[in-house]
Amino acid sequence: KQEVTQIPAALSVPEGENLVLNCSFTDSAIYNLQWFRQDPGKGLTSLLLIQSSQREQTSGRLNASLDKSSGRSTLYIAASQPGDSATYLCAVKTGANNLFFGTGTRLTVIP
Amino acid sequence: NAGVMQNPRHLVRRRGQEARLRCSPMKGHSHVYWYRQLPEEGLKFMVYLQKENIIDESGMPKERFSAEFPKEGPSILRIQQVVRGDSAAYFCASSLAPGDYGYTFGSGTRLTVV
Repeated sequence: KQEVTQIPAALSVPEGENLVLNCSFTDSAIYNLQWFRQDPGKGLTSLLLIQSSQREQTSGRLNASLDKSSGRSTLYIAASQPGDSATYLCAVKTGANNLFFGTGTRLTVIP
Repeated sequence: NAGVMQNPRHLVRRRGQEARLRCSPMKGHSHVYWYRQLPEEGLKFMVYLQKENIIDESGMPKERFSAEFPKEGPSILRIQQVVRGDSAAYFCASSLAPGDYGYTFGSGTRLTVV
């Protein structure tokens, strides 16, 4: 069974710092990996989707990488801002109809 | 394109009542997925539906929970005889197709059982 782990569980950084969030998964037979953002009491916002054949995706200050063979993905956030404060969730799709989620990294960016 | 719409946003039910959660997928999406997020836990898959068909309900509790996605109208997640342990956020997602397409999530329904 697929297991997704996110490290660290919580992270607090001063504004302007670059940071890396980590995601690991146990079964490398994935369709894709998706990074989401969840604000307190809100839904999930998709940030980046990486297909299994891709190595990375970029959107603005965000860059996500995927190393399928080692079961790892990283989300890099450049020049962090207080508005980036949220919980970041990693999810892998294995099989046609199921996303397996990590428990997330709670990020706080201090002004 | 209004995205995935879920209602109600918040639902309070007394123990033993029924809860009905609705989800309208993104326009053009015919694949709907329900997830549950318990307090301090990750999202867990419950059920995957296409129009008029349940494709995978391996994550659904065997009793009291049911889901449908009729030909017309939204997908419904129904919880009968709710108990306090059902209190959670229930999220619906839709996709264009299974396989390597990404999911779009709704804002969720927060169910509180009192």
